Amino acid sequence: GENVEQHPSTLSVQEGDSAVIKCTYSDSASNYFPWYKQELGKRPQLIIDIRSNVGEKKDQRIAVTLNKTAKHFSLHITETQPEDSAVYFCAASRTGTASKLTFGTGTRLQVTL
Amino acid sequence: DSGVTQTPKHLITATGQRVTLRCSPRSGDLSVYWYQQSLDQGLQFLIQYYNGEERAKGNILERFSAQQFPDLHSELNLSSLELGDSALYFCASSVSPEPSGNTIYFGEGSWLTVV
Repeated sequence: GENVEQHPSTLSVQEGDSAVIKCTYSDSASNYFPWYKQELGKRPQLIIDIRSNVGEKKDQRIAVTLNKTAKHFSLHITETQPEDSAVYFCAASRTGTASKLTFGTGTRLQVTL
Repeated sequence: DSGVTQTPKHLITATGQRVTLRCSPRSGDLSVYWYQQSLDQGLQFLIQYYNGEERAKGNILERFSAQQFPDLHSELNLSSLELGDSALYFCASSVSPEPSGNTIYFGEGSWLTVV
């Protein structure tokens, strides 16, 4: 089955700096890559996703890049703010019968003043 | 508010007991997913139902079972509980049977503590 590895496990940046979180996946058939943000004690919420027919997608301060050849994708947050502090999860899924959304182990992002 | 409703929000029970967690998906969603999140751990996929039928299975223990009813709500049954079953159990829902087909929305979770 799919295996998703996520790095780093913790990341501390100063307010205004950029943050980058990287994930690799094992199943070359995976074609959907969402990112979820989970604040402490809250539910995971989708913040951005990308499909395999696109190399990059941007939404305001958040961008995601995908390298299908290397089987890795990254989340980029620019101009970080204290409210960006949370745990971020990447995930991957393929299309087809019994396909599953497999999550990475999460990155705890701390934005300091 | 995602529209996915989970009950109970918190539950404390003893080892060896059985509990049932309930989930109502967003209006119009036919898929229901169950995930387990242990302390400082990621989201472990347990099982998915689509329109009443089991669609995909993850790392769900034999002591655990689930079902989706005709009104599309779902229940996750956890039996012979062990201390290690203490976790946050999330239900999620989506319109499509495939995770890649659309956004998956999570409920607020049910905190289970086994003592």
